[in-house]
Amino acid sequence: GAGVSQSPSNKVTEKGKDVELRCDPISGHTALYWYRQSLGQGLEFLIYFQGNSAPDKSGLPSDRFSAERTGGSVSTLTIQRTQQEDSAVYLCASSPHPPVVAGVEQFFGPGTRLTVL
Amino acid sequence: GQNIDQPTEMTATEGAIVQINCTYQTSGFNGLFWYQQHAGEAPTFLSYNVLDGLEEKGRFSSFLSRSKGYSYLLLKELQMKDSASYLCAVRAGYSTLTFGKGTMLLVSP
Repeated sequence: GAGVSQSPSNKVTEKGKDVELRCDPISGHTALYWYRQSLGQGLEFLIYFQGNSAPDKSGLPSDRFSAERTGGSVSTLTIQRTQQEDSAVYLCASSPHPPVVAGVEQFFGPGTRLTVL
Repeated sequence: GQNIDQPTEMTATEGAIVQINCTYQTSGFNGLFWYQQHAGEAPTFLSYNVLDGLEEKGRFSSFLSRSKGYSYLLLKELQMKDSASYLCAVRAGYSTLTFGKGTMLLVSP
């Protein structure tokens, strides 16, 4: 079956512009996660959705970052007034159950590589 | 907060065995995951441990000691395709995962 998909795969933008990154989770997966991965760094958690609500948005680095999820499916991560330090690979993952269910793995998408010039 | 440590890089030879260690400090430990990530690709799930002991899955095994805050991933009969980054991730309570920085494994002929 189809896995997690993300678009675009690559995005180059100028400093100060806004960008939108899209994630299509696996059908039926209720949990959705956004991570950021910079060169030489681990996966940095950004935000978690259960259905359309975000019980944990503690990882968003600043108020320039926001995310929404509609219809319990597609999610968009928006970065306003991009800065060079925002350059990274943004990964989305989905899971059939919330984190309270032990041992449930997350299925990752291929990521969006964002470059801010 | 949580602290997860793994070696940055390791090298090994095709056919050999390699052990990748992960140490963590967290309160309310509730499970440890290992993921594999090939360059430019998405991480894929390898194993999950929540109780002490060894979980074996083919050529890959994962071990956990909760009292020591320690886990390892054991890869046997190494193949060239095993060259990848291996990510250790810990869950505290019912929260989301915290990932280590990953261990880049290079398998040479």
